[in-house]
Amino acid sequence: GAVVSQHPSRVICKSGTSVKIECRSLDFQATTMFWYRQFPKKSLMLMATSNEGSKATYEQGVEKDKFLINHASLTLSTLTVTSAHPEDSSFYICSARSTGGNQPQHFGDGTRLSIL
Amino acid sequence: AQTVTQSQPEMSVQEAETVTLSCTYDTSESDYYLFWYKQPPSRQMILVIRQEAYKQQNATENRFSVNFQKAAKSFSLKISDSQLGDAAMYFCAYREYAGKSTFGDGTTLTVKP
Repeated sequence: GAVVSQHPSRVICKSGTSVKIECRSLDFQATTMFWYRQFPKKSLMLMATSNEGSKATYEQGVEKDKFLINHASLTLSTLTVTSAHPEDSSFYICSARSTGGNQPQHFGDGTRLSIL
Repeated sequence: AQTVTQSQPEMSVQEAETVTLSCTYDTSESDYYLFWYKQPPSRQMILVIRQEAYKQQNATENRFSVNFQKAAKSFSLKISDSQLGDAAMYFCAYREYAGKSTFGDGTTLTVKP
């Protein structure tokens, strides 16, 4: 089955640090990748959608200068949380989908980000 | 905008019994996809089952089946012969062709031994 690898699984860092999270599709080409944020026992909140080679489309209320998304290849997308603060602490999940509007999304294991 | 509603924040079921999780959605589209995802404590989202709106036949995957009522915009998930490993948070999701998914708030399922 399709595998999405997300790294790191957990990050603890000081306030003001920038953190990069990687999302890789291991056995398929991900033309579209999604980044979500999830609070404890809550639903997934879509942050942005990225298509390979294009700028990401951010959801309303998500700061694009704060959450930098790069989707440079068909197998890799990165989310960089710049100058992270305690309120950015959360669980971040990436998801990837191959070409074809009827293809299912495959999810990474998520990254637990804790800003001290 | 499409909305997905899961009216049961928590459900519990006895091992080996059957449980049904409810989901309703709102859309003006006629062609779309519906999904149920499972998120166990390990946190990875796993696709359980999916349904294409143009198909009248309800999807089934082993012990998991759906009751898709297009006119009522209802998409419930039935888990038969529940197992301890079924304990997780379940999310219903709606998606248009090539569009982004909209998730419900989730239902936490507890399986009692």
